[in-house]
Amino acid sequence: QQQVKQSPQSLIVQKGGISIINCAYENTAFDYFPWYQQFPGKGPALLIAIRPDVSEKKEGRFTISFNKSAKQFSLHIMDSQPGDSATYFCAANTNAGKSTFGDGTTLTVKP
Amino acid sequence: DAGVIQSPRHEVTEMGQEVTLRCKPISGHNSLFWYRQTMMRGLELLIYFNNNVPIDDSGMPEDRFSAKMPNASFSTLKIQPSEPRDSAVYFCASSLWGPGRGAGELFFGEGSRLTVL
Repeated sequence: QQQVKQSPQSLIVQKGGISIINCAYENTAFDYFPWYQQFPGKGPALLIAIRPDVSEKKEGRFTISFNKSAKQFSLHIMDSQPGDSATYFCAANTNAGKSTFGDGTTLTVKP
Repeated sequence: DAGVIQSPRHEVTEMGQEVTLRCKPISGHNSLFWYRQTMMRGLELLIYFNNNVPIDDSGMPEDRFSAKMPNASFSTLKIQPSEPRDSAVYFCASSLWGPGRGAGELFFGEGSRLTVL
């Protein structure tokens, strides 16, 4: 049973555009929702994260929107740049320490 | 500061051989995770440890896979015997876990790319 569903699988955006990636979860025990960015040949690295007591968190061009009642959260990348081209994973953690990842979204930003 | 260190970075072996992947977590971290990444299945959690104790190994595919964490600074993932379908990138990650704060951020190593012929 997949506990974190991520969409879309792939995304192509023009430079300067907005990239939006969505995730949905089922387990109400999740209490920490990070997004990871992965470049080819590298391990995933934390991009931004949110806890369920806030509805939005912004760091530079990256924003997480969180809807606790709908059990959904999304990543918005404003003014997308070619250097943002990577695979993005949402994840959800339980208090016991377990992290469950979505399937990933391959983002391509065209110059 | 050194990050999570994995070895080997690349391993090519023949079906039936034993494979051992190694991981050194970040000093001071008390949680360690082994993930497997493939195109078909994405990032799969195989097993994770808190304070060197295996907490959840439900993601380990079958008895051919085993993982150990003899101390806070070292873990191994062993596949015996290996099969072609085990070909994947295996990631080790560590974090600082505490009651009430969950796992927090995972710090990943650069992965071990395994090819089983």
